[in-house]
Amino acid sequence: QITLKESGPPLVKPTQTLTLTCTFSGLTLSSIPEAVGWIRQPPGKALEWLGLIYWNGNTRYTPSLKGRLTITKDTSRSQVVLSMTNMDPVDTATYYCAHRGSFGSHYYFDYWGQGTLVTVSS
Amino acid sequence: QSALTQPASVSGSPGQSIAISCTGTSSDIGGYNFVSWYQQHPGKAPKLIISDVSDRPSGVPYRFSGSKSGNTASLTISGLQAEDEADYYCLSYTGGLTSFVFGTGTKVTVL
Repeated sequence: QITLKESGPPLVKPTQTLTLTCTFSGLTLSSIPEAVGWIRQPPGKALEWLGLIYWNGNTRYTPSLKGRLTITKDTSRSQVVLSMTNMDPVDTATYYCAHRGSFGSHYYFDYWGQGTLVTVSS
Repeated sequence: QSALTQPASVSGSPGQSIAISCTGTSSDIGGYNFVSWYQQHPGKAPKLIISDVSDRPSGVPYRFSGSKSGNTASLTISGLQAEDEADYYCLSYTGGLTSFVFGTGTKVTVL
């Protein structure tokens, strides 16, 4: 059974860097075709895909946030870390990490964390 | 990459069938058979209900089905039940360096 859980600060100030950690179990993120993605959802709004890290360390990011986002992994600690620079109030959202599907095409997310709400405010 | 377009809301009575559309382009939905659907109840994380256009994960009720034609994917809920009242999102693979894009979301109301 795969589980994921996000952790990080609930409040960050504008211009600061946000660092969120996704701690997982039931997967290693060190073999094909494993990958973990990040998705966010502003209050009352739609889901937005942010980025993904593959088992081999390769990453993909949404173009609108490219340059601000970095996703890394530490397989020894079973963690994926998201860093987002220059935070703005519009980045206020619940941030989710999710496991990319293990079967078929793998182009879906089958296990999700509970999400963590991050508010950007001075 | 623009979000996929979904109707803001769809409603139906218990037992009825409803369909939710998800419209994209030839660069996402039209280019790949990699559309998935997620159900989200208030305050909860999204839950996968359809993968690869029409595959239903284990445990998802048979009343949920998916299809695709051209640049538009659809989720159909047959025999609508009260617990189906939730927000629904489509997700498509986009290939290249971008990888994924979500839909704008649809609120389903059971009358």
